[in-house]
Amino acid sequence: DADVTQTPRNRITKTGKRIMLECSQTKGHDRMYWYRQDPGLGLQLIYYSFDVKDINKGEISDGYSVSRQAQAKFSLSLESAIPNQTALYFCATSDLGGRNQPQHFGDGTRLSIL
Amino acid sequence: QKEVEQNSGPLSVPEGAIASLNCTYSDRGSQSFFWYRQYSGKSPELIMSIYSNGDKEDGRFTAQLNKASQYVSLLIRDSQPSDSATYLCAREGKGGSQGNLIFGKGTKLSVKP
Repeated sequence: DADVTQTPRNRITKTGKRIMLECSQTKGHDRMYWYRQDPGLGLQLIYYSFDVKDINKGEISDGYSVSRQAQAKFSLSLESAIPNQTALYFCATSDLGGRNQPQHFGDGTRLSIL
Repeated sequence: QKEVEQNSGPLSVPEGAIASLNCTYSDRGSQSFFWYRQYSGKSPELIMSIYSNGDKEDGRFTAQLNKASQYVSLLIRDSQPSDSATYLCAREGKGGSQGNLIFGKGTKLSVKP
């Protein structure tokens, strides 16, 4: 089983719909992240959370919201989806302990908004 | 603070050659650096981390760090077609990005049989 699980893996929906992407992890990490990736633009940080009570905006948070339901679960919502939110979305985790902590990524959710 | 620069490529090398991927960064305080490999449509996969000046070797991969020149590189020896992917360089965030990673946009590597 994957350590970082994202659901759904693929989603096609219409403009204006509310969408939730879910991420769960079994790594026991405190820190969780949501990124989007568009061709040629690299990874862009949407939101991140260092523990259940700590939620922070990333560089492109407009149009998105998140919920950290538990240490192991971090959900990303698009309240009213628009076509330019079509992208590949990744959840990642990292350990809180000390410096030099890499991030570990889920398999991604491919989201298409028509 | 998005100053991790990579040549987007594509970098094309023949099978069996050494592929050299380069990354520069602008924050002198950065201490930790990471290389990820990402196949098309897949998630980034950590392949190397480096924290100290000098070389770090792991199998066919060698990471090189020069903090004075603000330069980190990844060498892939005996390149294989299966190494064809985009390679992302990342550094530890500082200040307002403490605890995050700052990613470059990646270099696309193509290894020709």
